[in-house]
Amino acid sequence: DAKTTQPPSMDCAEGRAANLPCNHSTISGNEYVYWYRQIHSQGPQYIIHGLKNNETNEMASLIITEDRKSSTLILPHATLRDTAVYYCIVRATGANSKLTFGKGITLSVRP
Amino acid sequence: KAGVTQTPRYLIKTRGQQVTLSCSPISGHRSVSWYQQTPGQGLQFLFEYFSETQRNKGNFPGRFSGRQFSNSRSEMNVSTLELGDSALYLCASSLRLAGGRTDTQYFGPGTRLTVL
Repeated sequence: DAKTTQPPSMDCAEGRAANLPCNHSTISGNEYVYWYRQIHSQGPQYIIHGLKNNETNEMASLIITEDRKSSTLILPHATLRDTAVYYCIVRATGANSKLTFGKGITLSVRP
Repeated sequence: KAGVTQTPRYLIKTRGQQVTLSCSPISGHRSVSWYQQTPGQGLQFLFEYFSETQRNKGNFPGRFSGRQFSNSRSEMNVSTLELGDSALYLCASSLRLAGGRTDTQYFGPGTRLTVL
């Protein structure tokens, strides 16, 4: 699976949009971009995933660049409860099911 | 639909003992994966089970083992515990799709193991 690069941390004000970047320059054509988040000491929570089109669900939006080498997770109206570590993961669609987690990005939402 | 459940949530053992952790997947999910999370190594894949068979294995010693039952529930076992086995152990379940592919993994709350 391709590696991902995320900045170690970022913060945003409550109520504002949080834009979390991720680079995956070696992504292959059959690899999806997944986002999970982990609130302190809890299990990772699935947020969203996509292949090449932008995706939106009730939690967030995922914007993938046309060349697929980077993506941005957007939390439209961040709340204090969105403070967590966010993991961007690239995962192939083959039989190998494992997720390879990096260090993620720590998002701090300030009041 | 109920999520992934793991028992127990917290566990304290001493070096040399063994431990068994349990995971019940989301109803209908037949693939179960296990991960270990430590401050130093982060989240690492242990193994995956599907149809009662181990399908994929991470880079962990043989002291770490698992199994899956016919109802898709899974257990993992760690024998001869070491201090470094103190970690959050996470279970994730997913559907198995055509061609052996797995769908999105959903995680349980984890079991916090402390080895003294």
